[in-house]
Amino acid sequence: DVVMTQSPLSLPVTLGQPASISCRSSQSLVHSDGNTYLNWFQQRPGQSPRRLIYRVSNRDSGVPDRFSGSGSGTDFTLKISRVEAEDVGVYYCMQGTHRPLTFGQGTKVENK
Amino acid sequence: EVQLVESGGGLVQPGGSLRLSCAASGFTFSNYWMSWVRQAPGKGLEWVANIKQDGSEKYYVDSVKGRFTISRDNAKNSLYLQMNSLRAEDTAMYYCARMRMLDQWGQGTLVTVSA
Repeated sequence: DVVMTQSPLSLPVTLGQPASISCRSSQSLVHSDGNTYLNWFQQRPGQSPRRLIYRVSNRDSGVPDRFSGSGSGTDFTLKISRVEAEDVGVYYCMQGTHRPLTFGQGTKVENK
Repeated sequence: EVQLVESGGGLVQPGGSLRLSCAASGFTFSNYWMSWVRQAPGKGLEWVANIKQDGSEKYYVDSVKGRFTISRDNAKNSLYLQMNSLRAEDTAMYYCARMRMLDQWGQGTLVTVSA
């Protein structure tokens, strides 16, 4: 199975400042169809997960543009340009290139 | 508006069975792969299974193969997860999600396996 490794696992943030989460996969996530199936999810406290980013860098509908995704191959990054209070929660990367689908351990973003 | 509403969770003894349901609305259910994802209390997310639009392909995480069965009824816009031979480690919130890439999620239904 593809292992997804996130860092850091805990990220204290100052509101209004940028934040960045890294996700590395144990194998390349480039699919034979040419796409890279790397997604990012946000889970606010007490809520269901919500997809933010699909195929590395595409924001889902309604996702603020302060969220951006980048990367290729085995190294990926989620960036928040200016953290707002509603961004507190746990963030997960997930690969959908190889079966079974696998998630990272999660990064907890909290107020400093 | 896309809605996914899970039901069927509860407390069950080890070795017992449960059938989870997910009622879908707000989109053409028969056009989409559907998935189940679970989250043990205080833990991360784990993909469990998914099923193709017509039910012809089904995939499972190794830990549930032979015990869980995913199915769907496109006429009823519903997704199911039959869970047999339940173990304590199956205790989790179970989420229904749309597509293999999980673009929409339900609110979840809690399954507790305990004597």
